[in-house]
Amino acid sequence: GAVVSQHPSWVICKSGTSVKIECRSLDFQATTMFWYRQFPKQSLMLMATSNEGSKATYEQGVEKDKFLINHASLTLSTLTVTSAHPEDSSFYICTASRGSSYNSPLHFGNGTRLTVT
Amino acid sequence: AQTVTQSQPEMSVQEAETVTLSCTYDTSESDYYLFWYKQPPSRQMILVIRQEAYKQQNATENRFSVNFQKAAKSFSLKISDSQLGDAAMYFCAYRSATSGSRLTFGEGTQLTVNP
Repeated sequence: GAVVSQHPSWVICKSGTSVKIECRSLDFQATTMFWYRQFPKQSLMLMATSNEGSKATYEQGVEKDKFLINHASLTLSTLTVTSAHPEDSSFYICTASRGSSYNSPLHFGNGTRLTVT
Repeated sequence: AQTVTQSQPEMSVQEAETVTLSCTYDTSESDYYLFWYKQPPSRQMILVIRQEAYKQQNATENRFSVNFQKAAKSFSLKISDSQLGDAAMYFCAYRSATSGSRLTFGEGTQLTVNP
């Protein structure tokens, strides 16, 4: 089956530093990737949608200068948390879509647990 | 905007018994998909079952089945013969063309299976 590799699975960083999270589709081309954030015991909240070769579309309330998303190829999207602060500590999950249609298969990465100290 | 509501934050069931998780949604569209995802402690999202709105027949996957009531905008998940491994957080989710093909999740229901 389709595999989406998300790396790292967990990371601890100091306040003020930046962290990059990668999401790779290993055996298919991901036209669209979605980035979600999940706080403990809460639901997944969409942060942004990225399409290969174009700028990401951010959800209302998500700071695009803080959460930089790059989708430079059909198999790789990255999320960079810039100048991280403790309140950015969360679980981040990427989802890759095989196509741009709403009935295209979706595949989840395993998530990244970010802790900012 | 589409919304998904799960009114049961927590549910419990005895092993081998049946449990039903509730989900309602709000949409003005006629064509969409509904999903149930399982998230165990590892936090990996696992697709349990999906339903296409234009299909009247309720989806079934082994011990998992749904009761899809399109007019009532209800999409409940029934787990039969519950197993200890079914214990997890369950999320109901919605996806459509006009929502940018994104998944919109409900708040989740934490399912406990008692031995």
